[in-house]
Amino acid sequence: TQLLEQSPQFLSIQEGENLTVYCNSSSVFSSLQWYRQEPGEGPVLLVTVVTGGEVKKLKRLTFQFGDARKDSSLHITAAQPGDTGLYLCVRKLIWGLGTSLAVNP
Amino acid sequence: DVKVTQSSRYLVKRTGEKVFLECVQDMDHENMFWYRQDPGLGLRLIYFSYDVKMKEKGDIPEGYSVSREKKERFSLILESASTNQTSMYLCASSSLAGGPYEQFFGPGTRLTVL
Repeated sequence: TQLLEQSPQFLSIQEGENLTVYCNSSSVFSSLQWYRQEPGEGPVLLVTVVTGGEVKKLKRLTFQFGDARKDSSLHITAAQPGDTGLYLCVRKLIWGLGTSLAVNP
Repeated sequence: DVKVTQSSRYLVKRTGEKVFLECVQDMDHENMFWYRQDPGLGLRLIYFSYDVKMKEKGDIPEGYSVSREKKERFSLILESASTNQTSMYLCASSSLAGGPYEQFFGPGTRLTVL
């Protein structure tokens, strides 16, 4: 059973565009992590969100935790080719399938 | 920086062979994890360990075993490799103080079983 739904599954955009990816569950999260994985490498932790309504920023990346703590989003402003990768959300040890992002120069 | 190293980046084995995948972390983390990652299935937890000589089954432990004799080392063993164990294997570690779910990953071992 997939407890975390990530959307979209694939996203291909041009450099400079903005984008948002989503992580949803029918269950309430106590906390949630976002990771980025580049091809052939292990995932790298980006952020942990804990509090409903929380917003965290990491340079051009903005992470939001829903008020009801059932959903989270990641917004990237002015995407760059270096943002290319698989974006994964995880709740405890249950992982979403990820959003595969390609940013074209 | 936390460093998690895995013994091989690529490995090719024959069906029926015994396979050892080694993982070492250098940050004195209590928790260590083994996952496999397959297209369309995502990361699935095989085993984890929260202390030396302790182990807990994850979601897909069948066909695997683990060993943690030292805090820094966590080994995954395929007793008799099968073709359906061809996958990317990822090791991770985390600390109780830093948050047990904030995991640091190794680069992965891509295992092919022929």
